[in-house]
Amino acid sequence: QLQLQESGPGLVKPSETLSLTCTVSGGSISSSSYYWGWIRQPPGKGLEWIGSIYYSGSTYYNPSLKSRVTISVDTSKNQFSLKLSSVTAADTAVYYCARGLTDFDYWGQGTLVTVSS
Amino acid sequence: QSALTQPASVSGSPGQSITISCTGTSSDVGGYNYVSWYQQHPGKAPKLMIYDVSNRPSGVSNRFSGSKSGNTASLTISGLQAEDEADYYCSSYTSSSTDVVFGGGTKLTVL
Repeated sequence: QLQLQESGPGLVKPSETLSLTCTVSGGSISSSSYYWGWIRQPPGKGLEWIGSIYYSGSTYYNPSLKSRVTISVDTSKNQFSLKLSSVTAADTAVYYCARGLTDFDYWGQGTLVTVSS
Repeated sequence: QSALTQPASVSGSPGQSITISCTGTSSDVGGYNYVSWYQQHPGKAPKLMIYDVSNRPSGVSNRFSGSKSGNTASLTISGLQAEDEADYYCSSYTSSSTDVVFGGGTKLTVL
């Protein structure tokens, strides 16, 4: 059974960079033709796609976040990562990692990241 | 403002059927068969219920079905059960703005 697990700081200061890692277990991140993505959900609000990456490194980003987002993959560790720079309070959200590009069939449990000084 | 429009809430009694709509444009819902539906219980991660408009992942009850007409996609839940009470989100591939857009979500209440 494929499992995804997010990890990273739960508190980030304004103007700093948010960094999260998603560890994939139960399958290889590079063994199939899948994309791996990040989705976020501000408290009490809806879902927002951040971006997705193929194991080869090809990326797709939400244009509204593109200037601040970097998604990378480390196939040797079976992980992919998210970096979001220059964060503000508006970036406070539960961040999910998931498998997919146009649909997401496996999800991590999510991790709350709060932006506050 | 979400790119896809969903009703804020719907409700139904156990055993009944309900339908949740998801309205977009010809650049997303109407132009591609890449509409998905997710169920989210409080404090939990979303769960994929329908992909590519009408396909159910393995393990999802056949009480859940999806369809599309023009720029509007729909999720129908038949034989409502108490456990179906949750938030439901649609999503679609889009050729404009982002590659993937979500609806604002619909809260389903089972009376």
